[in-house]
Amino acid sequence: GAGVSQSPSNKVTEKGKDVELRCDPISGHTALYWYRQRLGQGLEFLIYFQGNSAPDKSGLPSDRFSAERTGESVSTLTIQRTQQEDSAVYLCASSWTGNTEAFFGQGTRLTVV
Amino acid sequence: RKEVEQDPGPFNVPEGATVAFNCTYSNSASQSFFWYRQDCRKEPKLLMSVYSSGNEDGRFTAQLNRASQYISLLIRDSKLSDSATYLCVVTETGGFKTIFGAGTRLFVKA
Repeated sequence: GAGVSQSPSNKVTEKGKDVELRCDPISGHTALYWYRQRLGQGLEFLIYFQGNSAPDKSGLPSDRFSAERTGESVSTLTIQRTQQEDSAVYLCASSWTGNTEAFFGQGTRLTVV
Repeated sequence: RKEVEQDPGPFNVPEGATVAFNCTYSNSASQSFFWYRQDCRKEPKLLMSVYSSGNEDGRFTAQLNRASQYISLLIRDSKLSDSATYLCVVTETGGFKTIFGAGTRLFVKA
């Protein structure tokens, strides 16, 4: 596609359920990033991928969060046993390499009720 | 200490004013630097890269001071449309990890 695509755009889930968020980066981009943004707050780094590898997972807030990337393309962020504090917009970005402009998707707005 | 720190603001300025944003970063080996802009409920988008020699794009001027680990953005002749959150962005050595500051919110009023 022409840009970074994220799905779903909105997700409402019940506390305790698992959710899976998807990111389709721009074709050919080797670097892929996940960020979380709570309402009125700044971006919180979660994880990045270089190819299919995730050299730095230190931003993942707990072991309920995991992410994978396959084929140096699609990435999924999984949140298990969701909690209300997980409610936020989850943004995915990709770039040719880490030193070049990062393009963002429009985000997935997650609401845990 | 946060890896990238910015004054959260908000900055409230009248149209036509000049406003400056500052940003500090903790990793002296950081490699690349950018300013992004984020409009309300939208995704961040690149405003400009920051080069060691400083660079200008119209009303916007970016400066980098590696010795002080400091980046700045100057906006001259502010417009209403400049109202947004400005994010300082740093990429670590190797170009793999991109770190966003929390952003500085700007409101330009008529």
